[in-house]
Amino acid sequence: DAKTTQPNSMESNEEEPVHLPCNHSTISGTDYIHWYRQLPSQGPEYVIHGLTSNVNNRMASLAIAEDRKSSTLILHRATLRDAAVYYCILRDHSNTGKLIFGQGTTLQVKP
Amino acid sequence: GAGVSQSPSNKVTEKGKDVELRCDPISGHTALYWYRQSLGQGLEFLIYFQGNSAPDKSGLPSDRFSAERTGGSVSTLTIQRTQQEDSAVYLCASSLMVAGGHGQYFGPGTRLTVT
Repeated sequence: DAKTTQPNSMESNEEEPVHLPCNHSTISGTDYIHWYRQLPSQGPEYVIHGLTSNVNNRMASLAIAEDRKSSTLILHRATLRDAAVYYCILRDHSNTGKLIFGQGTTLQVKP
Repeated sequence: GAGVSQSPSNKVTEKGKDVELRCDPISGHTALYWYRQSLGQGLEFLIYFQGNSAPDKSGLPSDRFSAERTGGSVSTLTIQRTQQEDSAVYLCASSLMVAGGHGQYFGPGTRLTVT
């Protein structure tokens, strides 16, 4: 699986938008970009995924660069409940689909 | 609908004993994964099942670990002769299909403590 690079930590203020970056310069054409998050003392939670086009769902938006070498997870209005570790992971369309977790970005949300 | 469930939520066992951890995936999901997370560590892939295909056991740390999936649904992860380094949260996830275009949905995990 191709490697992703994320900042170790970020801070945000409550009710403000948050942009979490991810670099994946070695992404292949069949890799999907997935985002998961893990709240304290809980299992990981699926957030969103995309291939080429930007994606929106009830939790977040995913903006994918035109060359697909980077992406940004956007939380439109951060809440205290969004404080978590956010993981950007590439899943190949053809392999077993196992997730290879890196260190992720620890997001702190300040009231 | 119901999510992924795991049991027990907590398990304390003595070193050398065998343990079984259970996972009930989301109904209709064909792919099932086991991961573990040791204290302060990242998530580590253990094993994967997809339909009737041979499982991918590449992540199992030793031959004391085994898993099965009966009837394409419920899965059991067995750890024989547990060691203290086996202490971790064991997480199960399921996915509608294995293809990269499908998300994985995780259960709450089983916290295993080996004393």
